[in-house]
Amino acid sequence: QVQLVQSGAEVKKPGASVKVSCKASGYTFTGYYIHWVRQAPGQGLEWMGWINPNSGGTNYAQNFQGWVTMTRDTSISTAYMELSRLRSDDTAVYYCTRAGTVTTMDSSDFDYWGQGTLVTVSS
Amino acid sequence: DIVMTQSPDSLAVSLGERATINCKSSQSVLYSSNNKYYLAWYQQKAGQPPKLLIYWASTRESGVPDRFSGSGSGTDFTLTISGLQAEDVAVYYCQQYYSTPFTFGPGTKVHIK
Repeated sequence: QVQLVQSGAEVKKPGASVKVSCKASGYTFTGYYIHWVRQAPGQGLEWMGWINPNSGGTNYAQNFQGWVTMTRDTSISTAYMELSRLRSDDTAVYYCTRAGTVTTMDSSDFDYWGQGTLVTVSS
Repeated sequence: DIVMTQSPDSLAVSLGERATINCKSSQSVLYSSNNKYYLAWYQQKAGQPPKLLIYWASTRESGVPDRFSGSGSGTDFTLTISGLQAEDVAVYYCQQYYSTPFTFGPGTKVHIK
């Protein structure tokens, strides 16, 4: 069965960086886009961007351009999201989620989600 | 950016009764070449990730109970829960995946009256 398993919770100081991993199993990792979505405590869902695991191509939300980096390691079916220059308002649960196939290049809903990674930014 | 709005913010429904959640997009999310609405609904229970319920505005995801249904056209969409069950207590989000940034509505919290 399809699974996305994320790395554990992190506590970071303002100005630091965090790298969250998302290990995929149960399907062909390079066949589907991986998106990242975050949720601040008690708040709604915010889309951050996607990575094409096949090509490594990315598309970041304008709010995150310049300080988010999405990468992947196809040898271990894992996607990564790194956020730099952390601020207290980056405290949130970060989710990876699977979307449509890379071959169609069509937008798609998010059918499988990781369990979420809580990143706490505090001095 | 396409702005998604939802109403109401919160909804209290008796067990077995119908719950209706509305979602509106600031512009069309209909892709004319395939006549599909790029609109999804998600359910998020406390402490859990979102779960896909409905895609293409009205197609139920595999395994989702048939008491959940989606409808709509133009820029107005509806999620209906016909016969609310205790396990349906959650926050429900609509999302457009027509164009980036893929945006979500603010959510509607459903609880038992």
